[in-house]
Amino acid sequence: GESVGLHLPTLSVQEGDNSIINCAYSNSASDYFIWYKQESGKGPQFIIDIRSNMDKRQGQRVTVLLNKTVKHLSLQIAATQPGDSAVYFCAETDVNKLVFGAGTILRVKS
Amino acid sequence: EPEVTQTPSHQVTQMGQEVILRCVPISNHLYFYWYRQILGQKVEFLVSFYNNEISEKSEIFDDQFSVERPDGSNFTLKIRSTKLEDSAMYFCASSYSPTGGDRRQYFGPGTRLTVL
Repeated sequence: GESVGLHLPTLSVQEGDNSIINCAYSNSASDYFIWYKQESGKGPQFIIDIRSNMDKRQGQRVTVLLNKTVKHLSLQIAATQPGDSAVYFCAETDVNKLVFGAGTILRVKS
Repeated sequence: EPEVTQTPSHQVTQMGQEVILRCVPISNHLYFYWYRQILGQKVEFLVSFYNNEISEKSEIFDDQFSVERPDGSNFTLKIRSTKLEDSAMYFCASSYSPTGGDRRQYFGPGTRLTVL
């Protein structure tokens, strides 16, 4: 599930394992989604996007899955590395703005 | 790769003072945004701007806030009379198009605003 404030859900994975980060979105009319990575003290960094006419999109080491039936997005990171440690946000578009989810902390153990 | 830049990186001000946060969006982008993030919370939309006017603003963006594109490269956020609750990270973002082929919004590194 998702949380707000300081109690973000945390995913801890071993270096080299695959990570799966989940996100529920709210607006069934949203037609474009983005995953962002945010490292401490920095701005959100674009990772990958997907349109609602797709259910899967792959990038370099990352895959985004979209399930419109249950309004669910997931981000899969293959062979997770220490540099992947960050907070990950999904965002849905609403014409003139992005609506962000609460975020998930990814911790990679070496 | 082109980047969104923001200045200053950290701004400390007294309650009631005016602050101006500055951004230089990516040069061929047409749409500009301000978001804020209170410590430990999610990123919240403030305002979007296109063709020298506000496209949309949130409830947070009240009469104390204003935006301006004073020249062809800068995009500013002004808070006229800061309140303690305005303390947050403020992010500028830009995109080529919100509805067309490339809809990605690229974010700057942020300005940390501390209101004392």
